[in-house]
Amino acid sequence: AQRVTQPEKLLSVFKGAPVELKCNYSYSGSPELFWYVQYSRQRLQLLLRHISRESIKGFTADLNKGETSFHLKKPFAQEEDSAMYYCALFMEYGNKLVFGAGTILRVKS
Amino acid sequence: EPEVTQTPSHQVTQMGQEVILRCVPISNHLYFYWYRQILGQKVEFLVSFYNNEISEKSEIFDDQFSVERPDGSNFTLKIRSTKLEDSAMYFCASSLRGARTDTQYFGPGTRLTVL
Repeated sequence: AQRVTQPEKLLSVFKGAPVELKCNYSYSGSPELFWYVQYSRQRLQLLLRHISRESIKGFTADLNKGETSFHLKKPFAQEEDSAMYYCALFMEYGNKLVFGAGTILRVKS
Repeated sequence: EPEVTQTPSHQVTQMGQEVILRCVPISNHLYFYWYRQILGQKVEFLVSFYNNEISEKSEIFDDQFSVERPDGSNFTLKIRSTKLEDSAMYFCASSLRGARTDTQYFGPGTRLTVL
């Protein structure tokens, strides 16, 4: 079955520390993966997707098909990175997104 | 930058009542979606809509639910007879063509509370 797993509900780090938000997926086809972010009282917004291979706000994510992972990383966390982060998998059938449970990132000063 | 809008932001209703949640997708987008998130749970897909018909629906989307695009701008989700378990945040989203490379843009959500 198609599934996205984010094992950590909460990740708390100090400002300036590296961050890695984990995401694993299960999908029989060729995966298209996204990271969405939701800042406090704001809407879900796209942070980045694997196909664009870009760095947004210092975050990067690499698709590892061997480990079926798409972990989100940032070398130096900032307080404004505090938010809920969702990993999502695009399903061709229905053109829909399947979301992980989300990880709250708290960056402490 | 264009955004998906949703109204109302919060809807309180009595069990058994009908509710209509409204969305205005981004104007040149062709694919529309509803997702929901029960408090403390995952964001779940409900339904996708393209070319004035349902493209796919989840098992959650039973006969109590319906969607409509009544005019050129609005996209609505109707729940005919609400149940307590329908209490959730409902998100509307739209994308340009529904392709795997397209971004789905989300609205701010409508919080539905069923009493």
